[in-house]
Amino acid sequence: KAGVTQTPRYLIKTRGQQVTLSCSPISGHRSVSWYQQTPGQGLQFLFEYFSETQRNKGNFPGRFSGRQFSNSRSEMNVSTLELGDSALYLCASSLFNSLYEQYFGPGTRLTVT
Amino acid sequence: GQQLNQSPQSMFIQEGEDVSMNCTSSSIFNTWLWYKQDPGEGPVLLIALYKAGELTSNGRLTAQFGITRKDSFLNISASIPSDVGIYFCAGQSLGNYGGSQGNLIFGKGTKLSVKP
Repeated sequence: KAGVTQTPRYLIKTRGQQVTLSCSPISGHRSVSWYQQTPGQGLQFLFEYFSETQRNKGNFPGRFSGRQFSNSRSEMNVSTLELGDSALYLCASSLFNSLYEQYFGPGTRLTVT
Repeated sequence: GQQLNQSPQSMFIQEGEDVSMNCTSSSIFNTWLWYKQDPGEGPVLLIALYKAGELTSNGRLTAQFGITRKDSFLNISASIPSDVGIYFCAGQSLGNYGGSQGNLIFGKGTKLSVKP
């Protein structure tokens, strides 16, 4: 089975711009969670989607949003980028919900200049 | 909020040595997961634990879910060079699913390096 895929792998954006990241879960997995990883804060939960509905949300500002499509693929969007948004953004998929084992993709490295 | 304390933060290993690391939580978890992350990659799931007291092995790796449900440890026996990387524990609690519970809470990681 193919693993979780994320595109793009690397991205450079300027402050104030917006960005969209994409995640394709493992085939058959219906839950997708997003995490932000930085050296200072570690891995922090952003949100979880299941059946096109956001079911869980972490403590991030409204500039961070996401959605899930009927084929379980998910996108996350960050608007009005700030320097502090530079991070590795990881997507994880699980079978039914985030209470099951989560499998991570390789991440998208976002650099905001 | 919930916090995980993972220790040690870093350690150096020589090939053949056994390695231990652990995580403690201020609150109860229902699931403990251990991941390894290599540079530039996403975390890879090593072991999942679902019951207090559970001891599970995956090759040279052994992990246990603490009886109090507030801690877990990971042991690596007879380490080899490819064990180098960052190991993360993650805990998950059940509860009001609409809130912040249910998602994974991660430790800060234990960085394993080879002794010079």
